[in-house]
Amino acid sequence: SQQGEEDPQALSIQEGENATMNCSYKTSINNLQWYRQNSGRGLVHLILIRSNEREKHSGRLRVTLDTSKKSSSLLITASRAADTASYFCAQTRYEIGGAGSYQLTFGKGTKLSVIP
Amino acid sequence: DAGVTQSPTHLIKTRGQQVTLRCSPKSGHDTVSWYQQALGQGPQFIFQYYEEEERQRGNFPDRFSGHQFPNYSSELNVNALLLGDSALYLCASSFLAADTQYFGPGTRLTVL
Repeated sequence: SQQGEEDPQALSIQEGENATMNCSYKTSINNLQWYRQNSGRGLVHLILIRSNEREKHSGRLRVTLDTSKKSSSLLITASRAADTASYFCAQTRYEIGGAGSYQLTFGKGTKLSVIP
Repeated sequence: DAGVTQSPTHLIKTRGQQVTLRCSPKSGHDTVSWYQQALGQGPQFIFQYYEEEERQRGNFPDRFSGHQFPNYSSELNVNALLLGDSALYLCASSFLAADTQYFGPGTRLTVL
């Protein structure tokens, strides 16, 4: 079952505007990651924020994490048509066993459309 | 440096058949995870392989099985296919217990 939920489900903006997507989750996490998916193909890793971090930047991306509210947000500044894609947040939980392993739990995603 | 590769790209099967999907991890990675993504949904974790053993498993029936080879590549097998198995199957690789997973382009399975 999917633990997290992204909000909104769909977002349409003009090129050059900023896009903000939110993610909520239910249980404790080790970190939270954001991925992009174009046209139902593979996922591209965008950014990882650890549970002890509050904000992280990467190029035009800014991610925040509020563990007390179990929520995260992804901000894409100065959007481009090429940013049109689905964006997913994935919670990571470290499972003890053997060498240990991380399992990603995804939400349903936000479908972003950037209009040229 | 080759990323994660998957084969085939597309596959059409009929109910009751069996299917095998293949994945080669990113160079230097030793852990492979498989995910199922139904249309309009996020990926759901099927299982993870490390050192040729299944290390974790999601909420999927025993019809879903896998294997990891000594060169770290992996296979996902699905028996007795159901219509509901139609989905995009994604493979992701990582190194040891590293938390960032890198995804392949996926295999689109259609069950008729």
